[in-house]
Amino acid sequence: DAGVTQSPTHLIKTRGQQVTLRCSPISGHKSVSWYQQVLGQGPQFIFQYYEKEERGRGNFPDRFSARQFPNYSSELNVNALLLGDSALYLCASSLGMGNNEQFFGPGTRLTVL
Amino acid sequence: AQRVTQPEKLLSVFKGAPVELKCNYSYSGSPELFWYVQYSRQRLQLLLRHISRESIKGFTADLNKGETSFHLKKPFAQEEDSAMYYCASITGGSNYKLTFGKGTLLTVNP
Repeated sequence: DAGVTQSPTHLIKTRGQQVTLRCSPISGHKSVSWYQQVLGQGPQFIFQYYEKEERGRGNFPDRFSARQFPNYSSELNVNALLLGDSALYLCASSLGMGNNEQFFGPGTRLTVL
Repeated sequence: AQRVTQPEKLLSVFKGAPVELKCNYSYSGSPELFWYVQYSRQRLQLLLRHISRESIKGFTADLNKGETSFHLKKPFAQEEDSAMYYCASITGGSNYKLTFGKGTLLTVNP
């Protein structure tokens, strides 16, 4: 198993555009979480999905949305991009809800110009 | 709201010296505490969690509820320990989100 995979690796967008980031969890994992990591900061929680339902949301504006598919993969969408959305977006998967270890993907580096 | 504080952005020690990476949390309940590590060009990975009380790669961390701390320690640092270390907490209920500190970059010099 390759572990958690994310695509694309890098992405450059301009202000006002929309972006979709993708995540494939480890086989058998049913929970996916998304984190934003701005340079010099620790990862900040955006969303958690389990069994295709949103189970947690961080302090992010409604421009951020996500969904989880029947195969447990997930997409993170960000609309009306701002310069401040430039960050590394991390996806983590875990077996389920509760205190399961979260395994992180390599991240997608988003640059907004 | 939960907060995790890592007061040191950078920490530099010599090989064989003891190392302690500090972490304080603010939560009145019983959080789960973790240390995550990111080696150069690798993904973020779990180093240890307080409930397992394990020693991983020679590192240990003890939860001190009185001081609300979860410092990471190793008696003899190795060059391969050089990495970014993040302390994180999680609270239960319906939302098992990880709250991370800002991280400490540890450099172990030869």
